[in-house]
Amino acid sequence: AQKVTQAQTEISVVEKEDVTLDCVYETRDTTYYLFWYKQPPSGELVFLIRRNSFDEQNEISGRYSWNFQKSTSSFNFTITASQVVDSAVYFCAYSSSNTGKLIFGQGTTLQVKP
Amino acid sequence: GAVVSQHPSWVICKSGTSVKIECRSLDFQATTMFWYRQFPKQSLMLMATSNEGSKATYEQGVEKDKFLINHASLTLSTLTVTSAHPEDSSFYICSARADYYEQYFGPGTRLTVT
Repeated sequence: AQKVTQAQTEISVVEKEDVTLDCVYETRDTTYYLFWYKQPPSGELVFLIRRNSFDEQNEISGRYSWNFQKSTSSFNFTITASQVVDSAVYFCAYSSSNTGKLIFGQGTTLQVKP
Repeated sequence: GAVVSQHPSWVICKSGTSVKIECRSLDFQATTMFWYRQFPKQSLMLMATSNEGSKATYEQGVEKDKFLINHASLTLSTLTVTSAHPEDSSFYICSARADYYEQYFGPGTRLTVT
């Protein structure tokens, strides 16, 4: 069965620090998708990125970057120069290619202090 | 981007009553919708997959007679929590599948059973 593990339950940083959120997944599927979502206190999930299993290119979007490594089954997320507005719960999620069902990691609560 | 709405955004009901939550895709048709539940400080857990015109598929451990799902049109799925009890208090989130891998989440419904 597939599984997503976010070992960091809570992370606290000071504004402008860089922070990396770890995500490790388990699967026997050859085709799958990986996601990151942000959940602010309002509760609404904010989509950040989707990656398919055949695309290992790292991606950068502004202060956000993602490192996907199939060899270690990891899909880590880095925020550069963190800001207070980045404070939220971040979820890594997995989806197989044919069901669409999302399996979420436990989530990492990021607190960015001014 | 695609928009998914949920109604109500929050609801308080008395133990033993039933509550209906609506999930609507506003600007696209969704043959598949998913219902997730999130307890405080926990991750999202998939409850069921709702397919338009057919019976929902429930995840293991989810009581289908308690959580009634109806997906009568391509833009509307409803979740009815029957005979609600305090342990059903949770944050319920739906998502609508627009295409093969893209899912859009609703803002969530916070249910409190007293």
